[in-house]
Amino acid sequence: KAGVTQTPRYLIKTRGQQVTLSCSPISGHRSVSWYQQTPGQGLQFLFEYFSETQRNKGNFPGRFSGRQFSNSRSEMNVSTLELGDSALYLCASTTGGRDTQYFGPGTRLTVL
Amino acid sequence: AQSVTQLDSHVSVSEGTPVLLRCNYSSSYSPSLFWYVQHPNKGLQLLLKYTSAATLVKGINGFEAEFKKSETSFHLTKPSAHMSDAAEYFCVVTAFYNQGGKLIFGQGTELSVKP
Repeated sequence: KAGVTQTPRYLIKTRGQQVTLSCSPISGHRSVSWYQQTPGQGLQFLFEYFSETQRNKGNFPGRFSGRQFSNSRSEMNVSTLELGDSALYLCASTTGGRDTQYFGPGTRLTVL
Repeated sequence: AQSVTQLDSHVSVSEGTPVLLRCNYSSSYSPSLFWYVQHPNKGLQLLLKYTSAATLVKGINGFEAEFKKSETSFHLTKPSAHMSDAAEYFCVVTAFYNQGGKLIFGQGTELSVKP
């Protein structure tokens, strides 16, 4: 089975711009979660989508949003980028129950 | 609320010596616990998971962890370190009992392996 894929792998943006990241889960997985990883804050949960609905949400401002499509692929959008949004963004997929989450390689976002 | 605490931010061992990475958890129910490893500039790879079937859990690459409810601990061990084990390790707990979609991460332990 193919693993979780994320595109693009690297992005450079400037403050005030917006960005969209994409995540394709493992085939058959209906849950996609997004995490932000920074040196100062570690790994923090952004949100989870399950069957096209946001099921859980972390403590991030409204500039961070996401969606999930009928094929379970998910996108994450960050509007009005700030320098502090520079991070590795990881997505993970699972079947939706208590099964293991499998992570993608991440998208490295740099905001200048 | 669920939480995990990794007791060491950095551990350094010599190649061939044992590895011990410590993790304590807090949970209001029987938790699902995981150890993930992250090599530089890579995503997270699952090492092992505990889901109440057995308290001693064996993972990949010779790692294992023991779930101790009385001590609320889930320490990761390996009998003999290899240079390729140098990476960051995360102890993780699920936020909800019946869902795996939200994970709570410890702050990570960086493992260095000296030749």
